[in-house]
Amino acid sequence: GAGVSQTPSNKVTEKGKYVELRCDPISGHTALYWYRQSLGQGPEFLIYFQGTGAADDSGLPNDRFFAVRPEGSVSTLKIQRTERGDSAVYLCASSPDGLNYGYTFGSGTRLTVV
Amino acid sequence: AQSVTQPDIHITVSEGASLELRCNYSYGATPYLFWYVQSPGQGLQLLLKYFSGDTLVQGIKGFEAEFKRSQSSFNLRKPSVHWSDAAEYFCAVVYSNSGYALNFGKGTSLLVTP
Repeated sequence: GAGVSQTPSNKVTEKGKYVELRCDPISGHTALYWYRQSLGQGPEFLIYFQGTGAADDSGLPNDRFFAVRPEGSVSTLKIQRTERGDSAVYLCASSPDGLNYGYTFGSGTRLTVV
Repeated sequence: AQSVTQPDIHITVSEGASLELRCNYSYGATPYLFWYVQSPGQGLQLLLKYFSGDTLVQGIKGFEAEFKRSQSSFNLRKPSVHWSDAAEYFCAVVYSNSGYALNFGKGTSLLVTP
């Protein structure tokens, strides 16, 4: 596609539930990133994929968070046992390779845990 | 710890006036610096980036930024602001020895008055 697509755009879930957030990067982009943006804050890094593998997952806050990119294109961010503190906008970005830091961001998924 | 500081949380300027948004980064290895803009409900859009070379960088939408190593600053400027420039602006840095994760500031909210 022409840009980075994230679905759903909004997600409301109950505390304790499991959620999946999807990112469809720009075609041909090998690098994919997930960030989390809380209200009034700048985006915070979660995880970086180069191809199918997670090259850097140091930003994942705990083991309830997991992400995959099985075919090197679409990625899914998975959150288990959601907590109210997980409420945020989850942003996905892609770039042609890991060396081009000018990522293209998607519009994000707004997650609300009630 | 690596960090980016945007001292101004909110800035208000009149349409047609000049604009300068401040950004300071913590001292470290060679910094790669970026400015992004985020409009309500939109993803982050890259305005400009600095890797090396000429310290005055031109970006899209008439924006420019100047890298000053002695001041650890990368301020964003525009000579004449348009109402459509009202948005949230984020400065970000990644260091040459620290992988690919962008470290964002908390952002500056720009309001443009008639």
